[in-house]
This record gives sequence, C-alpha cells and structure tokens, in this order.
Amino acid sequence: IAGITQAPTSQILAAGRRMTLRCTQDMRHNAMYWYRQDLGLGLRLIHYSNTAGTTGKGEVPDGYSVSRANTDDFPLTLASAVPSQTSVYFCASSDSDRDTQYFGPGTRLTVL
Amino acid sequence: GQNIDQPTEMTATEGAIVQINCTYQTSGFNGLFWYQQHAGEAPTFLSYNVLDGLEEKGRFSSFLSRSKGYSYLLLKELQMKDSASYLCAVFGNNRLAFGKGNQVVVIP
Repeated sequence: IAGITQAPTSQILAAGRRMTLRCTQDMRHNAMYWYRQDLGLGLRLIHYSNTAGTTGKGEVPDGYSVSRANTDDFPLTLASAVPSQTSVYFCASSDSDRDTQYFGPGTRLTVL
Repeated sequence: GQNIDQPTEMTATEGAIVQINCTYQTSGFNGLFWYQQHAGEAPTFLSYNVLDGLEEKGRFSSFLSRSKGYSYLLLKELQMKDSASYLCAVFGNNRLAFGKGNQVVVIP
C-alpha cells in the first residue's frame, strides 16, 4: 500500500505557465487537502474536498483550483504561476474531515 | 478564526526529557493533533487528544487542558533522531489549523 503519492517531486516553472500538481491516495479516504508550507508561516490550507464531487476553499485559495472527480485523485492547478507561489506543497487525506490527516511526500515548486 | 502559539526552537541533550507547549484559541474545539516533521519530509502523525488529560504512547505523551486552551507534547529519553519540528494542530471552526511548529534540536 503506497498511501499518498504526489508528483512531481520537484519542479522549476517559469512565471505565467500553467502547472498541475498530482495527488493520489489508495486508502479510500473521503477527505483530501492541499497545503502549502513556507518558512515562518507553517502549513496553510489551500483547498479541501470532504468527499468526491465536492471542493471547498481554505485559507489561501487565490491562484489555485482543484477538482475531485473520484475518491483517489485530487489535482491542484496553478492557472498562471507567480513567484509568490514558490513553496512546498503537501497533499493530505483523512477518513472524514475530523479524522487524522496523513500527508504525501510533498512537491517542491519554484516559480521564476 | 483560530490562533495557535508554539515556541520557535529549543535545544535539548540526548537522553533528556523535553516538553513542547502549544496554546490555542478557537471556537467549536473538536480535537488537537501533534505531528512530527523532519527536515525535507512530510509531517507524520504522533498523537491526538480530544478529552482533558494525558495520552501516553511509548516515549511520547501528549496532554490537553480544554479550559486553558493548552496542550503539551512530552518527549522522553531523547534520541538524535528526535531532532525535528513538532507541529500542533487544532480542529475548530470545522477545520484543522496548524501552528508554525517548534524546532527541537537534540545534541549529544
């Protein structure tokens, strides 16, 4: 069982380009999340999905979009990347929105 | 909103005991989590408290006082591999919010 996988591991991207970060879980968890982690700011929630077919905005949603077409996958898209989106992005999942969240290995994104 | 405070950094000696504190303000409190995060890695779950009192799990214990908005994580018999950031996360207002983490450095 892999748990949660994320791709790519790292990426350098030119500003203005579109980018999709992938996240897949095999635990049949209902809820999934995207966080960004920046030095001095901790983990901040970007978007979440409590169940397949539904999504919601977190603390810092601007510039990002998500979709949840099925239980396993929760891609995060940057429509037009900007340097302030340089960060480490973590995907997480949990059985329900109140249960323990388990994190993927992260994607390190640099926008130049 | 939610407000979570943790000290930034502490240093402790191998074999010692260290206590990491977390204070929080939230409404609709429904649990507090502790995570460990090694540099360059993902956070990993350590413990969960929803009722007042102490939860013990091997070398790690976590305490919660809901009336004081306070929790601590106790690490006993410190090992070098315990050098990491320890994140306090509070479930309130129907969402989980993370503190900025407390960096623990274990020295020989």
